[in-house]
Amino acid sequence: EDQVTQSPEALRLQEGESSSLNCSYTVSGLRGLFWYRQDPGKGPEFLFTLYSAGEEKEKERLKATLTKKESFLHITAPKPEDSATYLCAGLSSGTYKYIFGTGTRLKVLA
Amino acid sequence: DAGVIQSPRHEVTEMGQEVTLRCKPISGHNSLFWYRQTMMRGLELLIYFNNNVPIDDSGMPEDRFSAKMPNASFSTLKIQPSEPRDSAVYFCASSKTGGTEAFFGQGTRLTVV
Repeated sequence: EDQVTQSPEALRLQEGESSSLNCSYTVSGLRGLFWYRQDPGKGPEFLFTLYSAGEEKEKERLKATLTKKESFLHITAPKPEDSATYLCAGLSSGTYKYIFGTGTRLKVLA
Repeated sequence: DAGVIQSPRHEVTEMGQEVTLRCKPISGHNSLFWYRQTMMRGLELLIYFNNNVPIDDSGMPEDRFSAKMPNASFSTLKIQPSEPRDSAVYFCASSKTGGTEAFFGQGTRLTVV
């Protein structure tokens, strides 16, 4: 069964304290690995798509990487406005369903 | 483009009543997804349409739930009769088939009392 697991469930960082969020996946015929940001009361907002092991994408203080078993979202020198829940999802080429992890709730303290 | 549009944003209803949630996907997207989000279970896929045809409804929890997509620009999710355990945020998302990212609406927060 396709599955996506994220860790940690919650993370508190001081402003400027870099860290990484983990997304482990077992998705048949992975067609893409997606990262989203979700703010309270809003829908998930697309951040990155990764298609093959070794691929990296960057946006401001965020960098996403992908291996054959997991993906990481690296946050460099975070700011309080980076506080949100970060979700990852695997897309199966067999079913074309996006399978989401339960997310990491990130809190960045000023 | 205005993005994925969902209505209503909030719905409070009494147990046993019928609830209809609505979604307008992004123009040109041919895949549409309905998700339910709760603190306990996260985002759960309920049903997936491709070119207006339901492809996978294995996530629909019970016969009380039904979904339709009469055309490329409109979909509904109906719960009849509603129960308190249906209280959650329901999201609609759309994408272009082929592995591109899905875009989400703002969600409908449903409370069944």
